[in-house]
Amino acid sequence: QLQLQESGPGLVKPSETLSLTCTVSGGSISSSSYYWGWIRQPPGKGLEWIGSIYYSGSTYYNPSLKSRVTISVDTSKNQFSLKLSSVTAADTAVYYCGGGVIVNWFDPWGQGTLVTVSS
Amino acid sequence: IQLTQSPSSLSASVGDRVTITCRASQGISSYLAWYQQKPGKAPKLLIYAASTLQSGVPSRFSGSGSGTDFTLTISSLQPEDFATYYCQQLNSYPRMYTFGQGTKLEIK
Repeated sequence: QLQLQESGPGLVKPSETLSLTCTVSGGSISSSSYYWGWIRQPPGKGLEWIGSIYYSGSTYYNPSLKSRVTISVDTSKNQFSLKLSSVTAADTAVYYCGGGVIVNWFDPWGQGTLVTVSS
Repeated sequence: IQLTQSPSSLSASVGDRVTITCRASQGISSYLAWYQQKPGKAPKLLIYAASTLQSGVPSRFSGSGSGTDFTLTISSLQPEDFATYYCQQLNSYPRMYTFGQGTKLEIK
């Protein structure tokens, strides 16, 4: 059974780069069966897709964040990661990783990690 | 493609039948999913392909629709169903995932 777990700093200073990792268990991240993504949720607000990386290596980003986002895979650690540069307070959110075998939706999800942008 | 859910919030009682609507700004065939999110928890996939119940999800949940109009129905509300519900779709070109703004289901 596929399981995901986010990790990374809970506090990031404005203008710096937010870096998170999602560790995958129960399956190989490099398998041709899987699709991966990052989604965030500002406090009290709805869900926003950040970007995705497919088993083929193709990456797709939300146009509103594209200039600041990089998603990559580390097959040796069975992880995929998110980097969001030049953060501001507006980037404060719970960040979720998600994935699965069907490209159209996310299942399962990680438990989420709160990242606060503050000096 | 934008997804618009209605209502944004809803008050109902245990045992009620509830329907939440998701409207797409363009036709998306049946490529729509519904998620349930409880406070402090990650979203959980309930329904995919508009009407297919995810394994383990109670049969009181059902989904329908195609094209631009979709519904999530809970036939008889249970205490554990009070949560926020989101619809979601994948646009092929440009490739982008979109969520509805959410519907908060509260106890009356």
